[in-house]
Amino acid sequence: DAEITQSPRHKITETGRQVTLACHQTWNHNNMFWYRQDLGHGLRLIHYSYGVQDTNKGEVSDGYSVSRSNTEDLPLTLESAASSQTSVYFCASSESGGAGNTIYFGEGSWLTVV
Amino acid sequence: AQTVTQSQPEMSVQEAETVTLSCTYDTSESDYYLFWYKQPPSRQMILVIRQEAYKQQNATENRFSVNFQKAAKSFSLKISDSQLGDAAMYFCASKSGGYQKVTFGTGTKLQVIP
Repeated sequence: DAEITQSPRHKITETGRQVTLACHQTWNHNNMFWYRQDLGHGLRLIHYSYGVQDTNKGEVSDGYSVSRSNTEDLPLTLESAASSQTSVYFCASSESGGAGNTIYFGEGSWLTVV
Repeated sequence: AQTVTQSQPEMSVQEAETVTLSCTYDTSESDYYLFWYKQPPSRQMILVIRQEAYKQQNATENRFSVNFQKAAKSFSLKISDSQLGDAAMYFCASKSGGYQKVTFGTGTKLQVIP
């Protein structure tokens, strides 16, 4: 079965370090997204991509970057981790076009910045 | 821009009873989609039900149904015959047809009382 996987699932890092969260999907979806989930805020969009070499900022993009070199992967990089970036991060993907109106999620990556 | 509001941070229901979770949204789009996602303690995001705005008929999926009031921009979720496994966080979400980004509400935590 096609799926979307995130790694690592849990990570503790120190303030100021660079961290990369991996996301890999096997659905061949054009659209990929990164969300963060915090208590009281629901899920907020960090970055998204509509295809290879395409990346766009979401509502909470400061301190984060993404790159899309192939269809399957959208790694999320925290350039210099801050305690405010302690959160649960979800990668998601969807198809383009009329059938692409349901978004599928990975299992989440728990990141703690100390 | 789309906004989604869930005004009930927490709800509880007796096992086997019916509960309704509220959601309102705001959008200037004529073509959009609405979703309810369930997030159990495992944190996995699970699609419960979706509704296309152009369809007047309310969507149903087994014990889950929606009351879609387009003029009022309301999209409530009804869970019938509640089961212990229904205990989770529920997120309402919207997506415009022309864009792939999904906007989430802040969630409602549902407790099922045996």
